[in-house]
Amino acid sequence: GQSLEQPSEVTAVEGAIVQINCTYQTSGFYGLSWYQQHDGGAPTFLSYNALDGLEETGRFSSFLSRSDSYGYLLLQELQMKDSASYFCAVRDKRRGDTGRRALTFGSGTRLQVQP
Amino acid sequence: NAGVTQTPKFQVLKTGQSMTLQCAQDMNHNSMYWYRQDPGMGLRLIYYSASEGTTDKGEVPNGYNVSRLNKREFSLRLESAAPSQTSVYFCASSEASRNSGNTIYFGEGSWLTVV
Repeated sequence: GQSLEQPSEVTAVEGAIVQINCTYQTSGFYGLSWYQQHDGGAPTFLSYNALDGLEETGRFSSFLSRSDSYGYLLLQELQMKDSASYFCAVRDKRRGDTGRRALTFGSGTRLQVQP
Repeated sequence: NAGVTQTPKFQVLKTGQSMTLQCAQDMNHNSMYWYRQDPGMGLRLIYYSASEGTTDKGEVPNGYNVSRLNKREFSLRLESAAPSQTSVYFCASSEASRNSGNTIYFGEGSWLTVV
């Protein structure tokens, strides 16, 4: 099965840059996704890396290295509203077991942005 | 533009009672999911439906049943609620393709407490 590891908490100040790492163990997957969840809210899609390298979407960037089984989410110019939990997720590539084709999520990283 | 709608939003059950969580999506997605999220943890897959008429067990299916009523609706039933099922339940949907299936859309969540 899949296993994803993330730090449980990260703290940073407004205007700073923060990197949230995700390491994973899976035999094959379609790519690495990132989701944001504010307290009491639903997870929302942030970014997806199908291939190795960096994907940039405004202040957020995401990186994937399949050879290192590693990815990260980079948040720049941090704002107070970025305080939330961030989850990495993968979708297993194996066929024949459709239950595994849903996303598997890491346990999440709680980001606290301080003034 | 409703997206994924789930009801009820809050529910308190007594141990042994049964209930059904309802979910509907208006995005014409083939795949639908039920996840649960316990405090400070990631999302764990309960059941998954790749298309109308098919359902598959996820990571934590025990104590639950599901029904994919049609393409829009995917319900989750607790036959005999237990305190261990106290959680936040999220319904979600996505396209069933290799890359876009990594972008899933969540409902607002259902807070269930079993006493």
